[in-house]
Amino acid sequence: KAGVTQTPRYLIKTRGQQVTLSCSPISGHRSVSWYQQTPGQGLQFLFEYFSETQRNKGNFPGRFSGRQFSNSRSEMNVSTLELGDSALYLCASSAILGGEQYFGPGTRLTVT
Amino acid sequence: GIQVEQSPPDLILQEGANSTLRCNFSDSVNNLQWFHQNPWGQLINLFYIPSGTKQNGRLSATTVATERYSLLYISSSQTTDSGVYFCAVGFNTNAGKSTFGDGTTLTVKP
Repeated sequence: KAGVTQTPRYLIKTRGQQVTLSCSPISGHRSVSWYQQTPGQGLQFLFEYFSETQRNKGNFPGRFSGRQFSNSRSEMNVSTLELGDSALYLCASSAILGGEQYFGPGTRLTVT
Repeated sequence: GIQVEQSPPDLILQEGANSTLRCNFSDSVNNLQWFHQNPWGQLINLFYIPSGTKQNGRLSATTVATERYSLLYISSSQTTDSGVYFCAVGFNTNAGKSTFGDGTTLTVKP
């Protein structure tokens, strides 16, 4: 089976812009979770989607949003980018809600 | 609040040495995973171990859920074992959300 894929792998944006990141889960997996990793805050949970519904949400401002499509692919969007949004964004998929997670390679976002 | 604490934060070993990494958690869990993050940021699955003991080659892990801790053992360490090891815990009160510890940075010297 192919693993979790994320696109793009690298991204440079300017403050105030918005960005959309994409995640394709392992075939057959219905749950997709998103995490932000920064040197100062570590790995923090953003949200989890299962069967196109957001099931859990972390403690992030409303500028961070996501969605899941009927084929389980997921996108996350960050609007009005701030310098502090520079991070590695990781996506994970699992077969069931709260199950074993498999991570993609991440998207490294730099905001200038 | 819900917490996941890993120790030690940093560990430096000579090649061939053994090590034990610890993960303490503050509440009942329904899942627990150990990951190794490579230099490119990829999180590699090591163990899915909400309870019990598992072994995979030189690595093994034990979770004692009733006492709220998990241990990762690395035997005969190699330079390629270097990197950051994370424990991620899913709590019963919030099944779909994983809380990560701050990680243990392991450096294995030749």
